Amino acid sequence: DAGVIQSPRHEVTEMGQEVTLRCKPISGHNSLFWYRQTMMRGLELLIYFNNNVPIDDSGMPEDRFSAKMPNASFSTLKIQPSEPRDSAVYFCASSLGGYTGELFFGEGSRLTVL
Amino acid sequence: KQEVTQIPAALSVPEGENLVLNCSFTDSAIYNLQWFRQDPGKGLTSLLLIQSSQREQTSGRLNASLDKSSGRSTLYIAASQPGDSATYLCAVNGAGNNRKLIWGLGTSLAVNP
Repeated sequence: DAGVIQSPRHEVTEMGQEVTLRCKPISGHNSLFWYRQTMMRGLELLIYFNNNVPIDDSGMPEDRFSAKMPNASFSTLKIQPSEPRDSAVYFCASSLGGYTGELFFGEGSRLTVL
Repeated sequence: KQEVTQIPAALSVPEGENLVLNCSFTDSAIYNLQWFRQDPGKGLTSLLLIQSSQREQTSGRLNASLDKSSGRSTLYIAASQPGDSATYLCAVNGAGNNRKLIWGLGTSLAVNP
């Protein structure tokens, strides 16, 4: 298996622009997580899907952030409009068995908002 | 509220040393604990997962122990190599209804040849 695949790897955009990050989880995994990582705050869970259904979105910072999982093999995280404080590395991870299963991470999308 | 702390934040050792990385957590009611490795510019790789009923797990030169009563886990790396240089993070799953992973900030390890 190719592992969790994220795109783009790097994104530089200007404040106010829309950003869409994409994730393909490992085939057969029923749980998908979006994380944000910064030096100051470490890893923060943004949203958790189980069987394509959002289970916990309490970590989504505000209405500018939205996530979808239209099928078992694809998810998007959208930021609209983007702000400089959104600059971070965004990780997608998948697992079998929700929160407690072994997590497999993608290589991340590094977002810079100017 | 569960909090996970990793001390030190950074560690530098000469090649060949045996070393211990520490992880402490405030609530002993956990489901499991996981150790991850992160290389610069990369994602996280799961190293070891210890269930709450276990005391330790081993994989090659890595051994992770868990002491729930004291709220501590250690990751022991034997005969360290330059290739072990990375950031090591621990994360705890809560027991009960809230199973969300709570993360430490990691220990950045440099193994010098």
